[in-house]
Amino acid sequence: ELKVEQNPLFLSMQEGKNYTIYCNYSTTSDRLYWYRQDPGKSLESLFVLLSNGAVKQEGRLMASLDTKARLSTLHITAAVHDLSATYFCAVDIQGGSEKLVFGKGTKLTVNP
Amino acid sequence: DTAVSQTPKYLVTQMGNDKSIKCEQNLGHDTMYWYKQDSKKFLKIMFSYNNKELIINETVPNRFSPKSPDKAHLNLHINSLELGDSAVYFCASSQDQRALNEQFFGPGTRLTVL
Repeated sequence: ELKVEQNPLFLSMQEGKNYTIYCNYSTTSDRLYWYRQDPGKSLESLFVLLSNGAVKQEGRLMASLDTKARLSTLHITAAVHDLSATYFCAVDIQGGSEKLVFGKGTKLTVNP
Repeated sequence: DTAVSQTPKYLVTQMGNDKSIKCEQNLGHDTMYWYKQDSKKFLKIMFSYNNKELIINETVPNRFSPKSPDKAHLNLHINSLELGDSAVYFCASSQDQRALNEQFFGPGTRLTVL
C-alpha cells in the first residue's frame, strides 16, 4: 500500500526566512501534486509535477520531484505571513485506479 | 462561476438519522470524488465515479452510498449516522484521471453528528 510521508508536520518560521517541506512516498509514481488549505477552507491546487526532475515555481514557492528518490520538495523563499496554511502533497497511484493518496499535511505558520 | 459546489456547507444532525450531501461541478470534468477529512486534517478518498460509473470504492461502511445521476453531479447519502462520521466531506473533480489527475475541490461540508 502506498504511504506518503510529509515532514515536518508543523513548521513555525520567521518572515523572510527560507525553508523546505519534504514529501516521501513508498512506491513508484511519477505524478505528484501539492495543495494548500487555509483554515476552514477547501484545498487549492498549487503544483502538478508529472515527471522526474520536474520543477515548478509560483511566487515564493518552488516544488520539485525526484522520482528515483521518491521525494518531492516544496521550498519556501523569504516567507511572508500570507503563506501561513497547511500544505499537502498527494501521490497518484498509477496503473490501477489512479487515486490520489495524501500526506498528513504540513501546518506552516509564518510569524512577523 | 463556482467550479465545484457542495450543499449544504454545514450539517448538524442526531445519531441514527439519514442525510445527503450534494455536489455539482461545472468544469465539464469526467471524474468526481468524495473525500473525508477527519479532525486531524487527514484526507482520505472514499469514492470516485467516472462518467457515472463507480471506479473507486474504498473500505467505507456500506451506510455510505454515492449516487451519480449524471457526470456533473455526485451525491453522498449516509444512513444511520454515527458519532464517528463527524468530519468535513469534500467533493472533487478531475478532467482526465489517467493523463493528468489534477483534482479541484469543492468548499466542503462540515458534518457534525450529536
